[in-house]
Parts: sequence; structure tokens; C-alpha cells
Amino acid sequence: SAVISQKPSRDICQRGTSLTIQCQVDSQVTMMFWYRQQPGQSLTLIATANQGSEATYESGFVIDKFPISRPNLTFSTLTVSNMSPEDSSIYLCSVGEYSGANVLTFGAGSRLTVL
Amino acid sequence: RKEVEQDPGPFNVPEGATVAFNCTYSNSASQSFFWYRQDCRKEPKLLMSVYSSGNEDGRFTAQLNRASQYISLLIRDSKLSDSATYLCVVITISGGSYIPTFGRGTSLIVHP
Repeated sequence: SAVISQKPSRDICQRGTSLTIQCQVDSQVTMMFWYRQQPGQSLTLIATANQGSEATYESGFVIDKFPISRPNLTFSTLTVSNMSPEDSSIYLCSVGEYSGANVLTFGAGSRLTVL
Repeated sequence: RKEVEQDPGPFNVPEGATVAFNCTYSNSASQSFFWYRQDCRKEPKLLMSVYSSGNEDGRFTAQLNRASQYISLLIRDSKLSDSATYLCVVITISGGSYIPTFGRGTSLIVHP
């Protein structure tokens, strides 16, 4: 399965600032996703990162707040903009393949605390 | 109704016990099913895929019932190290879109 490098692993940020999280995969993958997991909760899909086009956002998430880039098949970024304490969460990059297995693999996550 | 539902637990069992988790899904067109394990402060990791014929991996057995739209995970001879959250994942591929949906997870605590 793909090996994912996600950074930063954690950060503490001030209210009103923005943070960009990077996700690097060791192989070309068809699909890349960004998830949020708040304390004690399950994963919530933020968006699907599409290579060469705008990301597809889930209900409740908008591009202005969570701009996403995916310049190629191995790399994506998620920016959390104009942060507030409610954005404190773990953000996870995930990749999947249209293969028979259809397995999702996750990065180690980025733990964000907004003061 | 949520698309993928799991009993959040926690399930608190002694070592050696057998424990079973169920997960129901609402989209009958779903095609792939998995159980993931998530340890505290870690990312989810694939535990096993789930097939209609059932599959077994050591102490773990997973089963899919398409007619009733549920999947199950059975853990035999529980170990302390099995303590974690178990996530049910359902994948639907439709119109070129790959749509993974997670259950909220079931917490398992195995005690001495």
C-alpha cells in the first residue's frame, strides 16, 4: 500500500491565522481525501482533492475556509484559513485506488490546536 | 438515518472473551467494506476487508450480509492489545466517484 508523509504532525496556532498541511505520497494515486477528526468523534470527510481541478467539498465545508491544492498525483495540501478554536482537530490525509481492493490508507494526521 | 451506523460502545470485556461488533449501512449499491482499527491519537489502519463469503485472520472474523446490509467483526480470545476503536468503512463507487463513508467507531476495552 501507499506510504503517506503528512506534515506538520502538530501545531499550535493563533486565532485568525492560517495553516497549510501537506500530504506527500510515495506513488501516484487516483484519489486523495482530506478528513477531520474532532476529539472523541469519527472521521468527517472535508473534501476530495482532484488532480488539476477544484476539490469536491462535502456539505458544511467551503473552499474559502479549506482551500485545497493537488498539483499532481502524489501531492496535496489543505489550508485551514482564518482559524478559530473550533478548528482545533486532527486533520488526516487519505489515499485510495480504483483497484480491486479499494483500500484507503491514511497519513499519520496533523493535530491542530487553535488558541 | 446515518449512512453507516455502529454502536459506539464502549465494550468492556475481560481478556479471553469473544466480542462481536455490527455495522449497518443504508446504501445498497455499496461495493467494498472494511474494518479499520484506530488507536488513541493514531491514524486509522486497515484491519481487514469484508467479503460476503466471510474472511478470517487469526482471531478476527469478518462477515458481510448484503441482504440485511450489515457487516460484522468477531474477535475471539481478546487480548489487552485489542483495546482500540474499530471503524466500519463502506465504499461506494458511482458515476466515477469513489465515496468512502465511515461509521463513528466502536470502542473496545479489554481488561485483565
